[in-house]
Amino acid sequence: DAGVIQSPRHEVTEMGQEVTLRCKPISGHNSLFWYRQTMMRGLELLIYFNNNVPIDDSGMPEDRFSAKMPNASFSTLKIQPSEPRDSAVYFCASSFRLGGGNTGELFFGEGSRLTVL
Amino acid sequence: GEDVEQSLFLSVREGDSSVINCTYTDSSSTYLYWYKQEPGAGLQLLTYIFSNMDMKQDQRLTVLLNKKDKHLSLRIADTQTGDSAIYFCAETYSGGYNKLIFGAGTRLAVHP
Repeated sequence: DAGVIQSPRHEVTEMGQEVTLRCKPISGHNSLFWYRQTMMRGLELLIYFNNNVPIDDSGMPEDRFSAKMPNASFSTLKIQPSEPRDSAVYFCASSFRLGGGNTGELFFGEGSRLTVL
Repeated sequence: GEDVEQSLFLSVREGDSSVINCTYTDSSSTYLYWYKQEPGAGLQLLTYIFSNMDMKQDQRLTVLLNKKDKHLSLRIADTQTGDSAIYFCAETYSGGYNKLIFGAGTRLAVHP
């Protein structure tokens, strides 16, 4: 399996521009998570989906952030408009749902490093 | 609420043992995990322990769980330079699904 695939790996944009980050989870996984990592705040859970349905988006910092999962093999995280404080590494992770013999292990992508100037 | 705390830095000499400590708050966590993050990469599961266990050993890794004190530790025997990374402790969220709550990460530096 190719693992969780994220794109782009690096993005540099200017304040006010729209940013779209993409994620392809591991085939068969039914849970998908978006995390943000910064030096100041560490690893923050932004939103997670189960069976393509958003379960908890309480970690999404502002209305400028939105996430979608139109099908089991694709998710996007959009920031519009972007601001310098959004600069971070954004990780997507997927897993089988905990239980039924599954340990709930999250498989992470390599991350998308976003720099907003 | 859920919270996971770890010390931020640990420096050890190559060949020594490293012990990374973590405290968590959710006593109903089913599993507790240790993840490793190397520079420029995502997190990878290193090991995990089921909540009804006190200890788990996996080659150079030993995980100890003290449920009474809500304390988790990771011991790496014979630490090598390749072990230099950030180590994250995580607990499962009791509210369902497999939302994981991560600590801030402990940066392990291994020097000759």
